[in-house]
Amino acid sequence: QKEVEQNSGPLSVPEGAIASLNCTYSDRGSQSFFWYRQYSGKSPELIMSIYSNGDKEDGRFTAQLNKASQYVSLLIRDSQPSDSATYLCAVTDFNKFYFGSGTKLNVKP
Amino acid sequence: DTGVSQDPRHKITKRGQNVTFRCDPISEHNRLYWYRQTLGQGPEFLTYFQNEAQLEKSRLLSDRFSAERPKGSFSTLEIQRTEQGDSAMYLCASSFPRGVINEQFFGPGTRLTVL
Repeated sequence: QKEVEQNSGPLSVPEGAIASLNCTYSDRGSQSFFWYRQYSGKSPELIMSIYSNGDKEDGRFTAQLNKASQYVSLLIRDSQPSDSATYLCAVTDFNKFYFGSGTKLNVKP
Repeated sequence: DTGVSQDPRHKITKRGQNVTFRCDPISEHNRLYWYRQTLGQGPEFLTYFQNEAQLEKSRLLSDRFSAERPKGSFSTLEIQRTEQGDSAMYLCASSFPRGVINEQFFGPGTRLTVL
């Protein structure tokens, strides 16, 4: 069974701070890595994808991938109350997608 | 740009009844996935299609579940003889793989409540 592990949280950060979310995965054959944001009662929304080792930045979001350590992270700079949601890490072997159970982020005004 | 759509958005049914959900993927996407999500968990893989071919079905999936994508466009997921444990959010997603890039986009989901 291919596993994706995330700390369930909640992770609480003050508004304007950096939120750091982490994810580890078990399958070394994983090809691509994703972060989804999910608001309560809504479906997951893709916010970042990363395919090679290193950092990828998109606005306030930075995804970091370390395949040797089987580790993916998401940094959210200048966190806003609207960032309060559950963040799901997903990995794919190109065919199927495997999701973690998510980390709940609370950004306090 | 039309995203993934699902119908119905909510379904309440009595135990033992059959239900069917529909998913319309993003038009150029050839892959379509079905997931089930319960509170506090990530999406759980059920099955996926490439065009009209069903390539994999979860071994955890009961024979009461069946999915089709007859023309490689929309898909249906049917649950026969529903049980209370089937209550969950059923999510559909689609993608168009290009090399290692296989970004998957979700529809709004169908929330099923089995009484």
